[in-house]
Amino acid sequence: EAGVAQSPRYKIIEKRQSVAFWCNPISGHATLYWYQQILGQGPKLLIQFQNNGVVDDSQLPKDRFSAERLKGVDSTLKIQPAKLEDSAVYLCASSSAGPSTDTQYFGPGTRLTVL
Amino acid sequence: AQKVTQAQTEISVVEKEDVTLDCVYETRDTTYYLFWYKQPPSGELVFLIRRNSFDEQNEISGRYSWNFQKSTSSFNFTITASQVVDSAVYFCALSGGPVNTNAGKSTFGDGTTLTVKP
Repeated sequence: EAGVAQSPRYKIIEKRQSVAFWCNPISGHATLYWYQQILGQGPKLLIQFQNNGVVDDSQLPKDRFSAERLKGVDSTLKIQPAKLEDSAVYLCASSSAGPSTDTQYFGPGTRLTVL
Repeated sequence: AQKVTQAQTEISVVEKEDVTLDCVYETRDTTYYLFWYKQPPSGELVFLIRRNSFDEQNEISGRYSWNFQKSTSSFNFTITASQVVDSAVYFCALSGGPVNTNAGKSTFGDGTTLTVKP
């Protein structure tokens, strides 16, 4: 069974530029999560989807971050415009059951550097 | 709000030593789930274990064992006879159970960096 796929693996941009990350969850997994992991910290949940609906986006900085999950499969996370403090690893995870009842499986992450 | 504290920022041991990683959590949810993940240098978080709050049985899987004590809100992780390949950052996480305030919300600790020296 293929794992969670993410691309790109690395991205370097200048502040005020835009960037987008892509995630393909494990086949059949209804729940998809985006996390931000700043160096030296644990992952922080940005947004959670159940199929193509948003379950929780309370920690998503909506003035610059947006995410969508069209058709309830792939998802994209966008930052526009980027700030220096957005430098982090962006992790995508998926789970097969309800949002709080099953284990999350993580992708390799996208390391974003904002200069 | 829920909170996970991993007080040990870094631990260094010599191969074959036993090591325990501490995790203390705070939540007002009546049911919840606790997790441990391993993050090797490659960066991908690897699931190790999930424990339901109503199941306080300790668990052993090979060299790994977990001690869940609801009375002290702790979920500690022990590696027996550590190996160099165990070197990684280990994260403890908490998620609220269904119909709770924090249902579906995952909170991670800041991790413990384990270095196992040959």
